[in-house]
Amino acid sequence: EVQLVESGGGLVQPGASLKLSCVASGFTFSDYWMSWVRQTPGKTMEWIGDIKYDGSYTNYAPSLKNRFTMSRDNAKSTLYLQMSNVRSEDTATYYCTRVTEGMDAWGQGASVTVSS
Amino acid sequence: DIRMTQSPASLSASLGETVNIECLASEDIYSDLAWYQQKPGKSPQFLIYNTNSLQNGVPSRFSGSGSGTQYSLKINSLQSEDVATYFCQQYNNYPLTFGSGTKLEIK
Repeated sequence: EVQLVESGGGLVQPGASLKLSCVASGFTFSDYWMSWVRQTPGKTMEWIGDIKYDGSYTNYAPSLKNRFTMSRDNAKSTLYLQMSNVRSEDTATYYCTRVTEGMDAWGQGASVTVSS
Repeated sequence: DIRMTQSPASLSASLGETVNIECLASEDIYSDLAWYQQKPGKSPQFLIYNTNSLQNGVPSRFSGSGSGTQYSLKINSLQSEDVATYFCQQYNNYPLTFGSGTKLEIK
């Protein structure tokens, strides 16, 4: 069974940094592109970016490119999202997804709240 | 960016009815469209890809159609377990973009 489990969310102050992790199981992680998607409290879905199966290439939403960085460790079947200089508008649930034609698997989400 | 305009924003229908949800892309996305179902308090689930290909395990009462800029999701014989918010998403061009969602309720 394909499973994606995010962790690392929580309450963070504006301007701080935060790193989310997503551990994958049930499939060969190194065979797939992976992505991060966030959902705001108002339920808007926003694609953050994706990363090639070997970690050699990434694509980002232009509005987030300068503050968010994706990486992966295929030996640990783990995807990461490094968030820096966070703002109140980054408050959202962050999902790790497996990329096929669309996104065929989603984690349970990690909640991030940016507030002082 | 490709804008995905989804309608209606909410929908109320009776059990056994057929419902349609529309998604309009701001430019041709060449059928690179997926649909997701998100039940209350849960993560999104993958329903359809390539406009009309059903993901394994998705009931056959769900179907997708469209081309160019206009796409739709059809649910036949509505069941109580279909109560959810439905999202479309284009993957033809970066950045990938989602529709704003359609909340489906039972009348």
